[in-house]
Amino acid sequence: EVVLTQSPGTLSLSPGERATLSCRASQSASGSYLAWYQQKPGQAPRLLIYGASSRATGIPHRFSGSGSGTDFTLTISRLEPEDFAVYYCQQYGSSPYTFGQGTKLEIK
Amino acid sequence: QVQLQQWGAGLLKPSETLSLTCAVYVGSFSGYYWSWIRQTPGKGLEWIGEITDSGNINYNPSLKSRVTISVDTSKNQFSLRLRSMTAADTAVYYCARPLRNYQGSAFDIWGQGTMVTVSS
Repeated sequence: EVVLTQSPGTLSLSPGERATLSCRASQSASGSYLAWYQQKPGQAPRLLIYGASSRATGIPHRFSGSGSGTDFTLTISRLEPEDFAVYYCQQYGSSPYTFGQGTKLEIK
Repeated sequence: QVQLQQWGAGLLKPSETLSLTCAVYVGSFSGYYWSWIRQTPGKGLEWIGEITDSGNINYNPSLKSRVTISVDTSKNQFSLRLRSMTAADTAVYYCARPLRNYQGSAFDIWGQGTMVTVSS
């Protein structure tokens, strides 16, 4: 099973700042089959990025994904108030599909 | 716009069986690998398993001995049964559809979630 480790656990930033979230896989994520999700309290996760760098439908351009192999990054270029949430990475290249433990992005 | 609507019992006693159903409204049912995913405070998000309309099934080995996923193509529904529930199975359970209609794709459509509590 591919284990995904996200860092940092919590990131404290202010609106307008740049956020960089990391996801490291225990083995190569086959074909860059790596997704990022945003989750707010009481809601289901929302797909942001798939294929490591492709934005899902309706996702603002301030969200971008990069990386390959075992190291992936989600970048939010300029934080908006609605971006403060928990972010998860997920690999879907090999079964069982697995998720990281999450990074909480909080307002500083 | 595809919508997933899920339902099932939210309070169970230890050793009972969880039963959840997810209905797919609007859009194609065939060809997709429909999944169940759960979220616990301790283990976070955990993929449980997936099924296609033709009955191809894939389970997470960690739960395989206790889980059954089935499909009813006449109703565009798929279901989850998880046996021998314990407090460790207390979680929010989601049904989800992948972005692409083949195995191994990110999940872009999610059900509303069902909070399941196991307590005596």
